[in-house]
Amino acid sequence: AQKVTQAQTEISVVEKEDVTLDCVYETRDTTYYLFWYKQPPSGELVFLIRRNSFDEQNEISGRYSWNFQKSTSSFNFTITASQVVDSAVYFCALSPTTDSWGKLQFGAGTQVVVTP
Amino acid sequence: ETGVTQTPRHLVMGMTNKKSLKCEQHLGHNAMYWYKQSAKKPLELMFVYNFKEQTENNSVPSRFSPECPNSSHLFLHLHTLQPEDSALYLCASTPGGRGPVNEQFFGPGTRLTVL
Repeated sequence: AQKVTQAQTEISVVEKEDVTLDCVYETRDTTYYLFWYKQPPSGELVFLIRRNSFDEQNEISGRYSWNFQKSTSSFNFTITASQVVDSAVYFCALSPTTDSWGKLQFGAGTQVVVTP
Repeated sequence: ETGVTQTPRHLVMGMTNKKSLKCEQHLGHNAMYWYKQSAKKPLELMFVYNFKEQTENNSVPSRFSPECPNSSHLFLHLHTLQPEDSALYLCASTPGGRGPVNEQFFGPGTRLTVL
């Protein structure tokens, strides 16, 4: 069975602070994909990143960075110099690479509140 | 219209009503999904359709009835709902097939309230 745990339910920061969101997963699959999505107040989930389990390189995209540690089954997400527009719920998700029919197992989400 | 659209955006219904949620994708995808998002609960996958065939029913009560007439449209027919069915219902689409998903494209959701 697959499971994604986002232990932080809400994180509040002041603008320009960095914020790190934790994601820990469980899977018996040897190959899989990990994802992060952002859900702003409008409700629509927005894709941020997909990472293959074979690729453990960390990735940076603007103010966003991701730290994939296969040894600890974690895929953490950091927002550097947070802005008010970063306020949203962030979801981590997991998908096997075969016979998945595109299914995603989502974590419970972490609410990020950035205040000016 | 671009992306994934959902109508209506908000719906209030009584427990004896029958209503339908509509999802349409303009991306040329072949797989569509229904998710339920309740307060304080993770996103729950309800149904998956690939090339108009249902490939997943995640133990959803029969008061929710999906319909996929073609690869661009997905409906969720609702009847005899309970107040605990109040939630945000999200539709998503992907290119489709047995393999992993590159990314799912989500619609804005329908906020459903059952009185």
